[in-house]
Amino acid sequence: DIVLTQSPATLSVTPGESVSLSCRASQGISTSIHWYQQKSNESPRLLIKFASQSISGIPSRFSGSGSGTDFTLSINRVESEDFSVYYCQQSYSLPYTFGAGTKLELK
Amino acid sequence: QVQLQQSGAELVKPGSSVKISCKASGYTFTSYDMHWIKQQPGNGLEWIGWIYPGNGNTKYNQKFNGKATLTADKSSSTAYMQLSSLTSEDSAVYFCARWKYYYSGAYFDYWGQGVMVTVSS
Repeated sequence: DIVLTQSPATLSVTPGESVSLSCRASQGISTSIHWYQQKSNESPRLLIKFASQSISGIPSRFSGSGSGTDFTLSINRVESEDFSVYYCQQSYSLPYTFGAGTKLELK
Repeated sequence: QVQLQQSGAELVKPGSSVKISCKASGYTFTSYDMHWIKQQPGNGLEWIGWIYPGNGNTKYNQKFNGKATLTADKSSSTAYMQLSSLTSEDSAVYFCARWKYYYSGAYFDYWGQGVMVTVSS
């Protein structure tokens, strides 16, 4: 199984800061990585598909990059509504797997 | 608009089974794989398997073989997941999610609201 390691586990920031969240795959997965945001007691929401492709309706402050084994989700100037948990997920091979998540919290 | 409406919370006894549902609307149900994902309290997400409602084909995460059974009813555009021989380890929120194909890849584009299953005597 492909293991996705997300870091850091928790990121404490103040609104207006820009942040980068990391997702590292245990083997090369091209750009078959997707990012989701999950707010408390809600279902995950797709933010970025295939490492860097934007999603309609998602604010432009969210962007993604990377290929192979190292991927990054960037949030430019964090807003209060962004405090939640972020997951990466690979669709390269079965079983599909998720990272353990990065919690973005208010400092 | 695409919606996945899941059934309500379940409180079930150890050793029993439970069947939860995911009713799809706003798209052609038989044209998209439906996946199921488990989330234990405070934990991350775990992929269970998928069903293609068009022909009933299924694929499971080996970990859930014998635990989860996926079915679909085309007439009501509803996907189902039955969990059997329940233990406390099965207490979790279960999501259904639509699988969207895009060129040579795919991703989860819509999710249900989740069903909390609590296993307790």
